[in-house]
Amino acid sequence: DAGVTQSPTHLIKTRGQQVTLRCSPKSGHDTVSWYQQALGQGPQFIFQYYEEEERQRGNFPDRFSGHQFPNYSSELNVNALLLGDSALYLCASSLASGRKDTQYFGPGTRLTVL
Amino acid sequence: GEDVEQSLFLSVREGDSSVINCTYTDSSSTYLYWYKQEPGAGLQLLTYIFSNMDMKQDQRLTVLLNKKDKHLSLRIADTQTGDSAIYFCAEHPPPGNTGKLIFGQGTTLQVKP
Repeated sequence: DAGVTQSPTHLIKTRGQQVTLRCSPKSGHDTVSWYQQALGQGPQFIFQYYEEEERQRGNFPDRFSGHQFPNYSSELNVNALLLGDSALYLCASSLASGRKDTQYFGPGTRLTVL
Repeated sequence: GEDVEQSLFLSVREGDSSVINCTYTDSSSTYLYWYKQEPGAGLQLLTYIFSNMDMKQDQRLTVLLNKKDKHLSLRIADTQTGDSAIYFCAEHPPPGNTGKLIFGQGTTLQVKP
């Protein structure tokens, strides 16, 4: 049973560039959530995708956008990168019909902005 | 407001019990979770408790929930060096905030041999 996978593992960008991160959910899951984890902090919710639409959004600017594909995989796009966007980006998958909405996390993508 | 708070650091000796504490603010949260994060890794779901329960035991893990005080704790019995990691508690707000987990800042557990 494949768990949540993310790519790439690490990424280095410069300020002003754009980045795309990818996530494949756990087998059988249909919902993908994205979180940003700054160094020494807990994860912060960015947004969640279900049925190819953004279902809920956290307190992040419009520079952060996403997409979900028919196979439930998802992308996170960040435009006009700032130094403060350096963080571990975590993807979590869940089953929308699941009572607990328990979220299972991938290993993350470490983004460094120089 | 939304805020989950944890103590930042806990050090125990191997074989002792560890107790990690957490306070949350949304009394209508439905589920509360404990996740473990090892260095350079993602979050591993350890256990969860539904808000109408007081206690849940799962092998070496015991979760206690005090809804009146909005206090959650995770007890690890017979702590091993492999338990050294950062532990996060997270609350799941009620329907209407579907999907959003609110995390604490994490408690670093150090287990000394």
